Amino acid sequence: DADVTQTPRNRITKTGKRIMLECSQTKGHDRMYWYRQDPGLGLRLIYYSFDVKDINKGEISDGYSVSRQAQAKFSLSLESAIPNQTALYFCATSANRDTDTQYFGPGTRLTVL
Amino acid sequence: GNSVTQMEGPVTLSEEAFLTINCTYTATGYPSLFWYVQYPGEGLQLLLKATKADDKGSNKGFEATYRKETTSFHLEKGSVQVSDSAVYFCALSDLYSGAGSYQLTFGKGTKLSVIP
Repeated sequence: DADVTQTPRNRITKTGKRIMLECSQTKGHDRMYWYRQDPGLGLRLIYYSFDVKDINKGEISDGYSVSRQAQAKFSLSLESAIPNQTALYFCATSANRDTDTQYFGPGTRLTVL
Repeated sequence: GNSVTQMEGPVTLSEEAFLTINCTYTATGYPSLFWYVQYPGEGLQLLLKATKADDKGSNKGFEATYRKETTSFHLEKGSVQVSDSAVYFCALSDLYSGAGSYQLTFGKGTKLSVIP
């Protein structure tokens, strides 16, 4: 079984809808991250969390919110989706002892019409 | 701020050819450097890393040397295979960059296609 899982893997929605992307991990890591990937732009950090009570904004947090429900779960929400949020979204984790190395989930492809 | 610049792709090579993907960085502290690989339809996987100057990271026949004097971390492989076709991302993690601590900064990615 994969260590970092994301649901759903694909989602098509309409402008204005609320969307939640979920991430779960079995690696026992405290640190979790949400990125989005756009063609030709690499990965950009949306939010990150160093433990259950810690949430931090990343480079591009506008239009997004997150919830860290437990050590193993980190959800990303789009309160009112817009077309330029169409992208590939990745969740990642890292351990406190080796914060540099991040482990990625398989990604969620989100399309906003 | 921190930044990573890698050569633009796509790169197309024949099987058994030599591969170099250039990567240079700008950082305010003492970054660790990484290469991640993304195979089609999958998430990113760590390929190799180096944590200090002159370190060489290696894995699966790939290697990269941390060159502080040229701020570079070029990826090389002596003989590529079709199965190496993927997108390769150079990244840095700077532990001493204030608000950006512990975050990875990625390059834009280089797509490699290896043909038989």
